[in-house]
Formats: sequence, structure tokens, C-alpha cells
Amino acid sequence: AQSVTQPDIHITVSEGASLELRCNYSYGATPYLFWYVQSPGQGLQLLLKYFSGDTLVQGIKGFEAEFKRSQSSFNLRKPSVHWSDAAEYFCAVGGYGNKLVFGAGTILRVKS
Amino acid sequence: NAGVTQTPKFRILKIGQSMTLQCTQDMNHNYMYWYRQDPGMGLKLIYYSVGAGITDKGEVPNGYNVSRSTTEDFPLRLELAAPSQTSVYFCASSYPPRPTNEKLFFGSGTQLSVL
Repeated sequence: AQSVTQPDIHITVSEGASLELRCNYSYGATPYLFWYVQSPGQGLQLLLKYFSGDTLVQGIKGFEAEFKRSQSSFNLRKPSVHWSDAAEYFCAVGGYGNKLVFGAGTILRVKS
Repeated sequence: NAGVTQTPKFRILKIGQSMTLQCTQDMNHNYMYWYRQDPGMGLKLIYYSVGAGITDKGEVPNGYNVSRSTTEDFPLRLELAAPSQTSVYFCASSYPPRPTNEKLFFGSGTQLSVL
């Protein structure tokens, strides 16, 4: 069965510092991988997705993620965090048919 | 361009009451979904639909029902509300499952408390 693990429930970083959010997945076939962001009181918004090809994918708001098949990971990164990046981030895995499985989420706090 | 619209935004129910969470989308998406979000648990799929007249169970369907009479609407029905159904509910829609277009569009959620 497919599953997603986000090991960090909360992460706090200083504004301007770099960020890496971890995501490990379990999936029996070629995975489709996603990162979503949820601001307070809002629905989820897609940051980026990986289907195939280049293992480093670029997303919106300056985020990127790297797919590492050998580690079953799809970590999200940003070189310099802004206060507006404070939100909850969800990693998701799925296959053809769009039935995504979401991780439990990582809450990002940004301190000034 | 409204996207995915959910109503109501908040609701308090008594145990045993019933209610319907409304979801409508104006993007002509075939696929629609209902998720529930509980703290520390991420999103769990309740039901989904691949088109009008077709629905199927997700991971946590017990206690819920859905219908899909039109492409636009995908209501979620709670027949006998229980405290375990206290959660935030999200409706989402997407294009057909073509890899280059896979993307979920989410509504802003319904916060439901069952007391």
C-alpha cells in the first residue's frame, strides 16, 4: 500500500535561512509526487509535482524538490525563507488516477 | 472564476443529527473528491467520483454517503453524526488523470464539530 511519511511535525527557521522539509514515500510502482501548502483557514495549493524526467523540480514561490528513488524521498527545499512561507506543508504520492495519499504534514514557523 | 466552492464554512451538530456538506466546481472537472483533515493525520480520502453518476469509496468512507448527479456538484452526506466525525472537510476536483495535468484544486474547507 502506498504511504507517505513526513518525519517532522514542526520546523522553525529564521527568516532568510534555508529550508528543507523531508518526505519519504512507499509506492509499488513509479510514483507521482506532490508538495502542497496550506495557509491557515485555506484549502491546499499545489507547490510542485514530479512525474518523470529531471529529478530536481521547480515550483512556485521559489520552492524546489528533489526526487531520490534510491532513498524513496522527495524533500522540499527553499534557499531563503520569507515570513509569508509560514504554513503547513503536505507531501503526497499517487499513481495514474489521482488517488493521492497525503502525509501528516509539517508545520513551518518562521521567526524574524 | 470561483473554482471549488464549499458550504457551509462552519457547522456544529448534535450527535445523531444529519447534514449535507455542499461542494460545487465550475471548471468542468470530471474528478471530484472529499477529504477529511485531522490534526497530525494529514488528509484522508472519504469518497471520490470520476464523473456524473459514478462514485467510489476512499480510505475512510464509514458514516458518509455521496452522490454525483451533475458534473458540477458533489455533496457529502452525514446521516447520524458522531463525535468521531469532528474534522475539517475539504472538497477537491481535478482534470482526468493525464500525468501532465494532474493537479487537485481544493475548496477552502468546512469545519464541522459534533457535540
